[in-house]
Amino acid sequence: TQLLEQSPQFLSIQEGENLTVYCNSSSVFSSLQWYRQEPGEGPVLLVTVVTGGEVKKLKRLTFQFGDARKDSSLHITAAQPGDTGLYLCAGAPGTYKYIFGTGTRLKVLA
Amino acid sequence: KAGVTQTPRYLIKTRGQQVTLSCSPISGHRSVSWYQQTPGQGLQFLFEYFSETQRNKGNFPGRFSGRQFSNSRSEMNVSTLELGDSALYLCASSPGDGTGELFFGEGSRLTVL
Repeated sequence: TQLLEQSPQFLSIQEGENLTVYCNSSSVFSSLQWYRQEPGEGPVLLVTVVTGGEVKKLKRLTFQFGDARKDSSLHITAAQPGDTGLYLCAGAPGTYKYIFGTGTRLKVLA
Repeated sequence: KAGVTQTPRYLIKTRGQQVTLSCSPISGHRSVSWYQQTPGQGLQFLFEYFSETQRNKGNFPGRFSGRQFSNSRSEMNVSTLELGDSALYLCASSPGDGTGELFFGEGSRLTVL
């Protein structure tokens, strides 16, 4: 069974701080996605990484795909209260099916 | 364009009953997948439909079923409800051509008493 483990599970930080969320697996994925989910809503795609070693930047968010394509990280610089939410990584172990990570619940305090 | 629409948003059922949830995907999207989200288990894949055919399914009992209509709208049904079926059920649509991005609805929150 392929699993995606995320760490930390919970994170509460002050506005302006930096943070990193990790997504790890023992399996290789052809691509990994990161989603953010806010209360009462469905997850929204932030980024897709497809190449080992790839780094993508989205404003204050930096995403990295591990060289072996088994892990990924999300780094947020100068976190803001609007970054609060549940961050989920997702990968496709097979065709037309995604598995989601265990999730990291982030709270940014003003 | 309009997003993914799920109905109903909230519902309460009792054990033993059955429930049907509906999902209207983004116009032009032919793939609809369903997920169950609970605090303990996170987001778990139920099944995926494309052009009225189930292409993949997760590890859920046969009480969970789904279907897709010719207009790509999808329904999922849970029969003989159990307390553990209480969850947020999320529907996601995608073009189905392998690009991978999932567009989620706001979900249907089911409470089983």
